[in-house]
Amino acid sequence: AQSVTQLGSHVSVSEGALVLLRCNYSSSVPPYLFWYVQYPNQGLQLLLKYTTGATLVKGINGFEAEFKKSETSFHLTKPSAHMSDAAEYFCAVSLYGGSQGNLIFGKGTKLSVKP
Amino acid sequence: GAVVSQHPSWVICKSGTSVKIECRSLDFQATTMFWYRQFPKQSLMLMATSNEGSKATYEQGVEKDKFLINHASLTLSTLTVTSAHPEDSSFYICSARDLRGGQPQHFGDGTRLSIL
Repeated sequence: AQSVTQLGSHVSVSEGALVLLRCNYSSSVPPYLFWYVQYPNQGLQLLLKYTTGATLVKGINGFEAEFKKSETSFHLTKPSAHMSDAAEYFCAVSLYGGSQGNLIFGKGTKLSVKP
Repeated sequence: GAVVSQHPSWVICKSGTSVKIECRSLDFQATTMFWYRQFPKQSLMLMATSNEGSKATYEQGVEKDKFLINHASLTLSTLTVTSAHPEDSSFYICSARDLRGGQPQHFGDGTRLSIL
């Protein structure tokens, strides 16, 4: 069965500092992994996804994530945080594999950025 | 890019009334739409999967008579919260599956439901 664990419900960084949001997954099929961002009172916006191929994937707004099969991890990073990055971030795995499967979400990590 | 429109974005109503939330895919056909509920500071909980022209599939613990889902066309799904009570207050989000690929689901902006 698929599951997602996000370590840390709240991460706080200073503007300009490295952002690291952790995600570990469990999947009985080759995983398709996703990171979404949610701003207050809004839906989810796709940041990036891993399907197959290159394990380092780049997304929007300067974010990237690396798929590490041996560690069952898909951590999200950004070299330099910006105030506009403050939001809730969700890691997700496709339930049945593939890019069309239902999604299983982690509990989310709230990112705060201090000036 | 694909857009999903959800309406209304915010609704406040009295206990006992029914509330309908619409989810529309604006530039693609969505044979499958999903309805999520999100409690404050928590993740999305899948309520049901809606397939065009057939009955919705509800997740365990979700009352199908309470949360009526209709997916009458390839671009519209509705969620009706019947006889709403304060405990139904929440943030409801819909998403639509785009068979053209790219990403598994496109999300609406959510509906904040407050029952007084």
